[in-house]
Amino acid sequence: DAGVIQSPRHEVTEMGQEVTLRCKPISGHNSLFWYRQTMMRGLELLIYFNNNVPIDDSGMPEDRFSAKMPNASFSTLKIQPSEPRDSAVYFCASSFPGSSYNEQFFGPGTRLTVL
Amino acid sequence: QQQVKQSPQSLIVQKGGISIINCAYENTAFDYFPWYQQFPGKGPALLIAIRPDVSEKKEGRFTISFNKSAKQFSLHIMDSQPGDSATYFCAASMGDKIIFGKGTRLHILP
Repeated sequence: DAGVIQSPRHEVTEMGQEVTLRCKPISGHNSLFWYRQTMMRGLELLIYFNNNVPIDDSGMPEDRFSAKMPNASFSTLKIQPSEPRDSAVYFCASSFPGSSYNEQFFGPGTRLTVL
Repeated sequence: QQQVKQSPQSLIVQKGGISIINCAYENTAFDYFPWYQQFPGKGPALLIAIRPDVSEKKEGRFTISFNKSAKQFSLHIMDSQPGDSATYFCAASMGDKIIFGKGTRLHILP
């Protein structure tokens, strides 16, 4: 079974450029989460969707960040313009209703470096 | 506001020893307390979890001890092995959301 799929796995860009991260959740999962992981701040929830609808975006750092989920099998996280402090590993996770302990299934992550 | 506090940040344990990671939470409305394990280059994955009405849960070499009155819980890894070397996150969930601690980097010496 395919797990959560993220692309690209690595992204190196220059300050000011637009960055788009992509995620395909596990089929049948109806909740999707975007996280950012850094050494300083750990694993932070940025935004999550339920049935393609954004439920909580209180973790989105600022207006430069936006996320969409146009259908049940695809989501994007966009940073425009990117800044060096956005360098981090970005994870997408998905879950399904009634999962034990509200388990979230994480993708392999996208390592973003902004120069 | 950090709702889940985790310690230590890093831990080195000899092979065969006991690894202990501690966490504390503030919000009594959390309904589950999972631990996630993350290997380098991978996403976190659920390791073991407990409900707040249970004081202990054991799965193989991994045990969660839960103290509801103190709002604290801990992960014990018995007979620690080099393959257990990873980052461990305690967490607390409420509804769909999971709040993670900052993680503990565990290294087991061979």
